[in-house]
Amino acid sequence: DVKVTQSSRYLVKRTGEKVFLECVQDMDHENMFWYRQDPGLGLRLIYFSYDVKMKEKGDIPEGYSVSREKKERFSLILESASTNQTSMYLCASSLGLGEATQYFGPGTRLLVL
Amino acid sequence: KQEVTQIPAALSVPEGENLVLNCSFTDSAIYNLQWFRQDPGKGLTSLLLIQSSQREQTSGRLNASLDKSSGRSTLYIAASQPGDSATYLCAVTNREYSTLTFGKGTMLLVSP
Repeated sequence: DVKVTQSSRYLVKRTGEKVFLECVQDMDHENMFWYRQDPGLGLRLIYFSYDVKMKEKGDIPEGYSVSREKKERFSLILESASTNQTSMYLCASSLGLGEATQYFGPGTRLLVL
Repeated sequence: KQEVTQIPAALSVPEGENLVLNCSFTDSAIYNLQWFRQDPGKGLTSLLLIQSSQREQTSGRLNASLDKSSGRSTLYIAASQPGDSATYLCAVTNREYSTLTFGKGTMLLVSP
C-alpha cells in the first residue's frame, strides 16, 4: 500500500513564525502536491512538483514556498505565517504524469494565532 | 479555467436507499475523473478513477459514470449504509501536469 505521511496532525503557530510542513511518501512517486482545504472553498492546489528540485505554482501559491531535495520528501514552507493561513493542509503523491491516482496523507490542521 | 461543481452540497438518507451524487465540470478536455471519500478530519481516499475514454467504473456497491461531452459524472451508491456517511469529492485531472481540480464535495449522512 502507498503510504503518505505528514509530520504533524495538529500545529499551533504564532503570526510571523516560519512554519515547515513535511510530507514523505514511500512509493517512489514522481509527483507530489500540496493542497489546503477550507470550509466553503474546497481543496485548492498550492504547489506541486513533478521531479526532484522541480516545482510549479498551483492556484494559490502566494505566501508559500516549497522544497523538494529528495524524491520522497516534499516540504511546504510558510515564510511568515499569517492568520489567513489557518487551514487544513493535505499532501498527495502520484506515480507520474498521466497516472493521476493521487494518494493523500492524513492532513495537518494548522492554527495561526 | 476548469471548474467543478457538485450537487447536492449535503444529502441525508435512511439506511438501505440507493442514491446518486452529481458532478459537473466546465472543460471537457480532461485526462480522467476521480471520486474520493473524506471522513471528518481525515485525508482523502480514492474510490474510483474513470479514464476519459471510459464510460463507467464499478467497485462493490459504488458505480461511477462519465459523460465527457456533457461534462458530467455521477456516483451511484447502492443499498447505503451508515458507514457510507462521509464527504464525497469529485476531481478532474488536467492534461498537462496531472493536477486535480476538486469540487466542494457532497456531505452524505446515512441514518440507521
